[in-house]
Amino acid sequence: QQQVKQSPQSLIVQKGGISIINCAYENTAFDYFPWYQQFPGKGPALLIAIRPDVSEKKEGRFTISFNKSAKQFSLHIMDSQPGDSATYFCAACGGAGSYQLTFGKGTKLSVIP
Amino acid sequence: GAGVSQSPSNKVTEKGKDVELRCDPISGHTALYWYRQSLGQGLEFLIYFQGNSAPDKSGLPSDRFSAERTGGSVSTLTIQRTQQEDSAVYLCASSLAGPKSVYEQYFGPGTRLTVT
Repeated sequence: QQQVKQSPQSLIVQKGGISIINCAYENTAFDYFPWYQQFPGKGPALLIAIRPDVSEKKEGRFTISFNKSAKQFSLHIMDSQPGDSATYFCAACGGAGSYQLTFGKGTKLSVIP
Repeated sequence: GAGVSQSPSNKVTEKGKDVELRCDPISGHTALYWYRQSLGQGLEFLIYFQGNSAPDKSGLPSDRFSAERTGGSVSTLTIQRTQQEDSAVYLCASSLAGPKSVYEQYFGPGTRLTVT
């Protein structure tokens, strides 16, 4: 069964610190790895995504690191702010004409002042 | 421009009743997806539309669930004879077609369904 395993389940970070969320996958056919941010009562919003031909992608304070051989990828949030407090989902997609996103179970991030 | 919209935002129904959930995708997005988010769980894929066709229905949990899309735009997810385990947030997403674009899925706010 296609799975994406995400950790930790919850994370508390001081304002200004670095938040790190990790994901691992099994299906080597996956070729697109997005991260979504979800605030309470809202739908998930696409935050940043990476394809396996690069090892890192940075957009502002958000960076994805990708390790193809280990089948792992992670989200780093630099200079974390209270406004970053949300649930973050990693996902993966691809292979055999499949367009369904397979999601991790989410990480609830709380950034405290 | 407008994002994906869904209605109703909340729906409370009695066990055994049928419900219809509506999704309006982003204008110009030919691909449309339904997902379900249960309490404490991640998002679970239900069905994918390309235009009015559904080439992937693999995530529909039972034959009580069906979906259609008309005019390549609005989609309706129907749940017949609702059960308490159907209680969840139902999310719709849309994307452009094409091999590079189809993965960039944009979600609506969801419909929270409660079956009593």
